[in-house]
Amino acid sequence: ETAVFQTPNYHVTQVGNEVSFNCKQTLGHDTMYWYKQDSKKLLKIMFSYNNKQLIVNETVPRRFSPQSSDKAHLNLRIKSVEPEDSAVYLCASSPRDWGGQDTQYFGPGTRLLVL
Amino acid sequence: GQQVQQSPASLVLQEGENAELQCNFSTSLNSMQWFYQRPGGSLVSLFYNPSGTKQSGRLTSTTVIKERRSSLHISSSQTTDSGTYLCAMEPNYAQGLTFGLGTRVSVFP
Repeated sequence: ETAVFQTPNYHVTQVGNEVSFNCKQTLGHDTMYWYKQDSKKLLKIMFSYNNKQLIVNETVPRRFSPQSSDKAHLNLRIKSVEPEDSAVYLCASSPRDWGGQDTQYFGPGTRLLVL
Repeated sequence: GQQVQQSPASLVLQEGENAELQCNFSTSLNSMQWFYQRPGGSLVSLFYNPSGTKQSGRLTSTTVIKERRSSLHISSSQTTDSGTYLCAMEPNYAQGLTFGLGTRVSVFP
């Protein structure tokens, strides 16, 4: 049963364009994440966010930024895409309140192709 | 170096055979999970198991914190078990999961 929703499923764009991906969770969770899965299928954390704090993986380029309107939504914006941004971007959520340990649930992903 | 090492990289099984997938961590962990990913599909959480043993149907996960390892046992494999199994750990609180490269399992009738 899908409870973490991502749009679009697939997006093709050209170098230099701005793109934005949406993520919504209906689980009532406190924390959301964005991950990148590259061509070698390795998943890497990009951002971890709840209404109190944003944690950014230091390897993430500055052209990437998370945007949240409320705790159920965490969008991902890429200001000026580069060819190496082609990947699958996965959103996740967990019920964690700072100090807890718990399960992360993933959305189906958004596949980005930069031409 | 890779903080999460999974082995084997791939595994071919005949239906009905058992399998053991391994995951080793180079650092201490705050939490860990096992996931299943179909080709082109999303991640399905199998276990949240930072320590001890958990079972769900034909799947059993065992994590030994002191030895920094976790295993996933598949008993009586079925063709529907085919896919990639990923383990992931969170080294420190709220940093997000660090994933291994996965074990690709193929089960043939």
